[in-house]
Amino acid sequence: GAVVSQHPSWVICKSGTSVKIECRSLDFQATTMFWYRQFPKQSLMLMATSNEGSKATYEQGVEKDKFLINHASLTLSTLTVTSAHPEDSSFYICSARQDLNYGYTFGSGTRLTVV
Amino acid sequence: AQRVTQPEKLLSVFKGAPVELKCNYSYSGSPELFWYVQYSRQRLQLLLRHISRESIKGFTADLNKGETSFHLKKPFAQEEDSAMYYCALVKGKTGGGNKLTFGTGTQLKVEL
Repeated sequence: GAVVSQHPSWVICKSGTSVKIECRSLDFQATTMFWYRQFPKQSLMLMATSNEGSKATYEQGVEKDKFLINHASLTLSTLTVTSAHPEDSSFYICSARQDLNYGYTFGSGTRLTVV
Repeated sequence: AQRVTQPEKLLSVFKGAPVELKCNYSYSGSPELFWYVQYSRQRLQLLLRHISRESIKGFTADLNKGETSFHLKKPFAQEEDSAMYYCALVKGKTGGGNKLTFGTGTQLKVEL
């Protein structure tokens, strides 16, 4: 079945630095991937839709300059948290869908802690 | 815009008791509905799709268009069913490019 790999699983960074999170579709091509943020004991909040070869579509209230998304190939999307602040600390999750015969597949998530 | 409502934040049942996790949606078109489960410290996993009409781990869910509901049911709860359950909706059958809209989730706790 469809597998989505996310890396790293966790990262600690200093305030002001940037962090890159990778999301790969391992056995299928994904023209579209999705990036979510999940706060403790809360639901997933969609941040942006990553489109291969074109600009990402950001949800209302999400700063595009803060959360840079690059979808350079059909199997890889990256989310870069720029100039990270402690309030950016969260659990980030990516997702993709192989085709209509499958549901959406989720990565294992990245726990970001900004100190 | 589409919306998914899960009215119960926490549902606690005893082992062997029936379980029903409620999900209501609002969308004027023909949605595709899912149930996802998140076990402790694990990634979200697909549990059910309304299109496939299958039963997974004893869970079933029927789409009721009249009541705009997609409740998740299981006749006899097991301890391993304890997890967070999310109902989700995507607009129509238009490929993988449409985003999922999630409900707020229901934490199911199965007690011995």
